[in-house]
Amino acid sequence: AQTVTQSQPEMSVQEAETVTLSCTYDTSESDYYLFWYKQPPSRQMILVIRQEAYKQQNATENRFSVNFQKAAKSFSLKISDSQLGDAAMYFCAYPRAGSEKLVFGKGMKLTVNP
Amino acid sequence: NAGVTQTPKFQVLKTGQSMTLQCAQDMNHNSMYWYRQDPGMGLRLIYYSASEGTTDKGEVPNGYNVSRLNKREFSLRLESAAPSQTSVYFCASSVYQAKNIQYFGAGTRLSVL
Repeated sequence: AQTVTQSQPEMSVQEAETVTLSCTYDTSESDYYLFWYKQPPSRQMILVIRQEAYKQQNATENRFSVNFQKAAKSFSLKISDSQLGDAAMYFCAYPRAGSEKLVFGKGMKLTVNP
Repeated sequence: NAGVTQTPKFQVLKTGQSMTLQCAQDMNHNSMYWYRQDPGMGLRLIYYSASEGTTDKGEVPNGYNVSRLNKREFSLRLESAAPSQTSVYFCASSVYQAKNIQYFGAGTRLSVL
């Protein structure tokens, strides 16, 4: 079964510091996409970043960047210069092979301390 | 830019009651999805519709039915609500395939007493 694992249910970081959220997955595919979604207290699910597995370059969106290790099936999210607004649940996800279905990890709660 | 609109935002039901959660998107997306979110479980797919006129089961379809009314609208129906269906429900849409970004509605918090 294809799975997504977020091993740390909770993390905290000081404002302006850097934090890395880990995610591992299991797939037999060679070409796929990986996603990080953010869910703030408002409950809205928001895409943070997307990585295409066939691209060697790690995706970056402003303060958010990915450390993608394809061989290790690892997809970490690094948040630089953390802000209070980054406090949220974070979910990693990828499409199940050959289907329309996104498989989500169980999520990680990030707290940002002022 | 409405994006994905879900109604209602909150609902309380008694066991055995029925209700329909509505979802509409204005992005001309082909694929639409219904998820439920429970504490510690992440998001689990209930049903999805790859295109107008088609629907398929996800991980947790029992107790639910769906209708893809047209390209814009995808509704989720609980015929006889049970306490185990207390959850937050999300509708999402994407251009076509799951490799594309999914855009989510604001969610519906449902409590079944």
